Amino acid sequence: DAGVTQSPTHLIKTRGQQVTLRCSPISGHKSVSWYQQVLGQGPQFIFQYYEKEERGRGNFPDRFSARQFPNYSSELNVNALLLGDSALYLCASQYRGTTDTQYFGPGTRLTVL
Amino acid sequence: QQQVKQSPQSLIVQKGGISIINCAYENTAFDYFPWYQQFPGKGPALLIAIRPDVSEKKEGRFTISFNKSAKQFSLHIMDSQPGDSATYFCAARGETSGSRLTFGEGTQLTVNP
Repeated sequence: DAGVTQSPTHLIKTRGQQVTLRCSPISGHKSVSWYQQVLGQGPQFIFQYYEKEERGRGNFPDRFSARQFPNYSSELNVNALLLGDSALYLCASQYRGTTDTQYFGPGTRLTVL
Repeated sequence: QQQVKQSPQSLIVQKGGISIINCAYENTAFDYFPWYQQFPGKGPALLIAIRPDVSEKKEGRFTISFNKSAKQFSLHIMDSQPGDSATYFCAARGETSGSRLTFGEGTQLTVNP
């Protein structure tokens, strides 16, 4: 079975641009969470979506938004990119909600110049 | 506000030795404490997890020790191997915070042959 897949693997953008990152959860999983991992730090929670509804939001500005599609895949959008948005963006898949194990994808490495 | 503090930041152990990583948390609502292992270029992978109703959990060479009164938990890796060289993250999740995992800052473990 395929694990969590994310695309693209790497991305380079300039300040002020917009970016869209994509995630496909494990087959049968209905929940997707997004995390930002700055180099040398632990992942920070951004969003959780379950059954296409937002179920949690971390302490990130409104420039960050996300959505989940009927097939449970998800997109993370970041507008007006700042240098500080450079990070590894991780997607985590869960079967349902809170008590299930989170399985992480390999991440998308975003570099903002 | 960092709610999970992890130490040490880096650790060097000889092959066959014991690696010990410690974490402390502040939020008494946390009720699930996983450890994740992350190799370069990969997403975090769940290693072992514990709930506060037990003081210790062992899976193969990996053991979590949990001290609820001290709000501390630790990961012990017995018979450490060079293949264990990775970054280890402790994390915590609370019933009221949905799927949100709060991570420590990570420990870079190097096991010398």
